[in-house]
Amino acid sequence: EADIYQTPRYLVIGTGKKITLECSQTMGHDKMYWYQQDPGMELHLIHYSYGVNSTEKGDLSSESTVSRIRTEHFPLTLESARPSHTSQYLCASSESNLGLAGPDTQYFGPGTRLTVL
Amino acid sequence: KNQVEQSPQSLIILEGKNCTLQCNYTVSPFSNLRWYKQDTGRGPVSLTIMTFSENTKSNGRYTATLDADTKQSSLHITASQLSDSASYICVVSDRGSTLGRLYFGRGTQLTVWP
Repeated sequence: EADIYQTPRYLVIGTGKKITLECSQTMGHDKMYWYQQDPGMELHLIHYSYGVNSTEKGDLSSESTVSRIRTEHFPLTLESARPSHTSQYLCASSESNLGLAGPDTQYFGPGTRLTVL
Repeated sequence: KNQVEQSPQSLIILEGKNCTLQCNYTVSPFSNLRWYKQDTGRGPVSLTIMTFSENTKSNGRYTATLDADTKQSSLHITASQLSDSASYICVVSDRGSTLGRLYFGRGTQLTVWP
């Protein structure tokens, strides 16, 4: 069982609200990721981080922002939620693996299912 | 265009039966291929990982195969259990960047009936 946590697990809010999805891991992993997943669809990378003070945008354009002030914490914020933001948001982390050719195994949190009315 | 295609989209089998899930990919250059299991409402959990030189990998009742020449992989589940009901996702990574980009399939939704 991976030590990566997400809160809240479920969130229903109204349009225009500011929200922050929390993600924390106790494995000391440098790399962290946020994915967005709609039902029956593939995961899309929206943000990632190599370590503290590092944040990068992923493949899927997102109006959300992230921060990485501490190694274990990678929160995602939506300044003004809209119905189009309704989705499942998955956080993941992995160890740095500079010696290998490919990426290391990502450990996923349980996800936050967000519904914006 | 780098893609990962999985089939079937969904599958229903009876408890105790075997099944095989398919994954075809066009990702290049290829680094490794993983199968993940995602229970409903949970995050994916890694089952197996195979690099270019490996053509089979087992994890309990799960056996994955890889044919790097035809760019195909399969996940075979033996003696299925009710707890195997989940989405099985094929994930392929390339060697194009330090991050090693991941390409996700849409998954096969497996339902095991008693």
